[in-house]
Amino acid sequence: DAKTTQPTSMDCAEGRAANLPCNHSTISGNEYVYWYRQIHSQGPQYIIHGLKNNETNEMASLIITEDRKSSTLILPHATLRDTAVYYCIVRGAGGTSYGKLTFGQGTILTVHP
Amino acid sequence: KAGVTQTPRYLIKTRGQQVTLSCSPISGHRSVSWYQQTPGQGLQFLFEYFSETQRNKGNFPGRFSGRQFSNSRSEMNVSTLELGDSALYLCASSFALVTDTQYFGPGTRLTVL
Repeated sequence: DAKTTQPTSMDCAEGRAANLPCNHSTISGNEYVYWYRQIHSQGPQYIIHGLKNNETNEMASLIITEDRKSSTLILPHATLRDTAVYYCIVRGAGGTSYGKLTFGQGTILTVHP
Repeated sequence: KAGVTQTPRYLIKTRGQQVTLSCSPISGHRSVSWYQQTPGQGLQFLFEYFSETQRNKGNFPGRFSGRQFSNSRSEMNVSTLELGDSALYLCASSFALVTDTQYFGPGTRLTVL
């Protein structure tokens, strides 16, 4: 699985959009980009994932660059409850990737009132 | 649909003892993965089970083992506990395929004294 690079921490004002970047310059063509978040040592929560196209769901949007070397998770209207550690994960489609997510250090997002 | 459940939620053991943790996946999910989370090492993959067979394994000593039952419920066992085994143990379930989204349970907090 390709390695990801994320900023250690970010701040965002409540009600504003939070844009969390992720670099995955060594990503392969069949590898997916997944985003999870973890609040206060609870289990990680799935947010969104994508392969090539931009994706949107009720929680967030995922923008993947055309060369797939980076992506941005967008929380359109951040709330205090969005304060968490956000993990960007690149996941392969076979072989040693079965059942395995490789977590990095993630980005600590703090949403301020 | 009920989420992933893990029991017990908290556990205190002493060095040298053994422990068994349980995970019930989301109904219909056939794959169960286990992770260990510590402040120093972050989230690390332990192993994954599918149809009662271990399909993938992380880099952990043989003291860590697991199994899966015919109803997809899974248990993990840690024998001869060490202080360093104190961690949050997380279980995640997914439907079947390597790229299926994993959904995490709340975790079991194990403290070894």
